[in-house]
Amino acid sequence: GNSVTQMEGPVTLSEEAFLTINCTYTATGYPSLFWYVQYPGEGLQLLLKATKADDKGSNKGFEATYRKETTSFHLEKGSVQVSDSAVYFCAPTPRDSGAGSYQLTFGKGTKLSVIP
Amino acid sequence: NAGVTQTPKFQVLKTGQSMTLQCAQDMNHNSMYWYRQDPGMGLRLIYYSASEGTTDKGEVPNGYNVSRLNKREFSLRLESAAPSQTSVYFCASTRGLAGSDEQFFGPGTRLTVL
Repeated sequence: GNSVTQMEGPVTLSEEAFLTINCTYTATGYPSLFWYVQYPGEGLQLLLKATKADDKGSNKGFEATYRKETTSFHLEKGSVQVSDSAVYFCAPTPRDSGAGSYQLTFGKGTKLSVIP
Repeated sequence: NAGVTQTPKFQVLKTGQSMTLQCAQDMNHNSMYWYRQDPGMGLRLIYYSASEGTTDKGEVPNGYNVSRLNKREFSLRLESAAPSQTSVYFCASTRGLAGSDEQFFGPGTRLTVL
């Protein structure tokens, strides 16, 4: 089955600091890779995704590169803001058809707090 | 366009009581999902519905049942609630397979079982 190891938090950073949240996964086949973000009191929403090796997903200043050789999809942002305070989830997702495509796995989440 | 809606937002039950969590999406999505979120556990899939008329078990289905009422609606039922079912429940939907499309999540239902 699939599994994902995500950097444990909580992470506390000062505004404008550099952020890295590590994510490595094991998966059968060739998954798509997603980062979701959950703001306080809300459901998850897509932050970015990548669907093939060496693809870089990006959104709102966040980036992550699909590294097939190291099975990793680390999330980075060069300068965090207070508004980035949230919980971040890594989610490798199978692209197979059939029942295997519903082995949906999320990391445990990394809580980020950005202080002014 | 409301996206994915869930009712209720909060619920407190006593052990042994039953209840149904409602979920609806207005995006004409084919697949729908129920997750539970527990501290330190991430999200775990309870049941999913790949298309209207089909439902299947996910990672943690015990103690739950689901109904895909139509293409829009996917409900989760707890027949006899237990304290271990205290959690935040999220409904989600995708246009096609989750590996190809982003999942759209509802705002969640916070359930406490005493």
